[in-house]
Amino acid sequence: DADVTQTPRNRITKTGKRIMLECSQTKGHDRMYWYRQDPGLGLRLIYYSFDVKDINKGEISDGYSVSRQAQAKFSLSLESAIPNQTALYFCATSDAGTSGVNEQFFGPGTRLTVL
Amino acid sequence: QKEVEQDPGPLSVPEGAIVSLNCTYSNSAFQYFMWYRQYSRKGPELLMYTYSSGNKEDGRFTAQVDKSSKYISLFIRDSQPSDSATYLCAMSGGNKLVFGAGTILRVKS
Repeated sequence: DADVTQTPRNRITKTGKRIMLECSQTKGHDRMYWYRQDPGLGLRLIYYSFDVKDINKGEISDGYSVSRQAQAKFSLSLESAIPNQTALYFCATSDAGTSGVNEQFFGPGTRLTVL
Repeated sequence: QKEVEQDPGPLSVPEGAIVSLNCTYSNSAFQYFMWYRQYSRKGPELLMYTYSSGNKEDGRFTAQVDKSSKYISLFIRDSQPSDSATYLCAMSGGNKLVFGAGTILRVKS
């Protein structure tokens, strides 16, 4: 079974709708992240959480919110979707560790289209 | 100006060619330099990383970091069609990673 899972894998929705993307992990990592990927722009950080009580904004958090329901679950919400939120969304996890590398493990992604 | 610049390509090469992928950066605080590989319809996976300046070799892959020039490279020797993917550089000086845009590589058989 995959260590980091995302649901749904694909979603088409309309402008103004509320959307929730879910992420679960079995790696036992404390740190979780949400990114969006757009052609030519790479991966941009939306929100990150270093433990259940810690939530931080990334570089592009406007229009998004998150909830860390448990160590293993981190969900991303679009309260009122707009077309420029059409993108590929990735959840990632990492271990706090001591090596400093901060290797992140990514889920398979959710392709979101907002019409 | 972006903290990390990477040419998105696409880069198309024949099988067996040597491939050079590069990134430049502006933040002197970066200490760890990583290359992630992303196959179509998959999430990125860490390919290799280097701490500070220097070279690191892993099979057909070599990563180089030149901190004085703020320039990193990934070389792929004897490229194979299975190397066709998007390669993203990523850098870390703390708890977060900053990614380049990714270079699309196509190796033709």
